[in-house]
Amino acid sequence: NAGVTQTPKFQVLKTGQSMTLQCAQDMNHNSMYWYRQDPGMGLRLIYYSASEGTTDKGEVPNGYNVSRLNKREFSLRLESAAPSQTSVYFCASSDYRESTFGSGTRLTVV
Amino acid sequence: AQKITQTQPGMFVQEKEAVTLDCTYDTSDQSYGLFWYKQPSSGEMIFLIYQGSYDEQNATEGRYSLNFQKARKSANLVISASQLGDSAMYFCAMRETTDSWGKFQFGAGTQVVVTP
Repeated sequence: NAGVTQTPKFQVLKTGQSMTLQCAQDMNHNSMYWYRQDPGMGLRLIYYSASEGTTDKGEVPNGYNVSRLNKREFSLRLESAAPSQTSVYFCASSDYRESTFGSGTRLTVV
Repeated sequence: AQKITQTQPGMFVQEKEAVTLDCTYDTSDQSYGLFWYKQPSSGEMIFLIYQGSYDEQNATEGRYSLNFQKARKSANLVISASQLGDSAMYFCAMRETTDSWGKFQFGAGTQVVVTP
C-alpha cells in the first residue's frame, strides 16, 4: 500500500545515546517533514525538506539532524538524546494538494 | 506569531448532527494551501481535505466540506451527519509559497466528541 513508513514504532533510549529514525515514502512527493507531538499538544516542525537535496530547520531543530537520502527517504538523527526529547515523532510527505503522515514513533528517553 | 488559530479547544456533538470546526489563518501570500487532519485516539494523522487559495469552489470529500472565506481568512471544516467514529482531535494547517511550499503551520487543534 502506498504511504509513509516510519521505523521503529517504539524506542526507549538512555540519556546520551544516539539513534536514527527512518522514514520512507512511496507517494512520489517532493516535500518531506519531521514533527514532534508532545502530550496534549499540536505538532511542532523539527526539520523539513522541500525537495530532494534540500533541508531546512523548523520550529524546534535543536538536538536533531536530518538527511534527505533521496526522494523517498528522510531520516532524523538524535545525536545525544535528552529526556526533553521524549515525544511522538511523525514523518510526513506532501505534494501540492495532498499530505500523508506515517504512523509515528513513540520515543522515550530515560 | 501564530498563523493558524483554532479557537475551539473542545466540542460535543450528537450523532447524526453536523458540526463546524473553526480555523482562521494569517498570511500575506496570495498563493497558499489549507489542510485539515484528523487524529483519533490511536494517534495516527489522517489527511481529510485540501483547499487551495485560488480554488474557486469549496472543497468537499465525502462528509467533509471546507467553508473557505478568503476575505475573512477562514477555512472552517464542516462534518455532516456525525458518526461515533468521528470522535478525534482535528487540526487545521497552512502551507505558504514564501516557504517554497515547504513547511506547514499547524493550529492547536479541536477535540471533538460525538455522543449517541
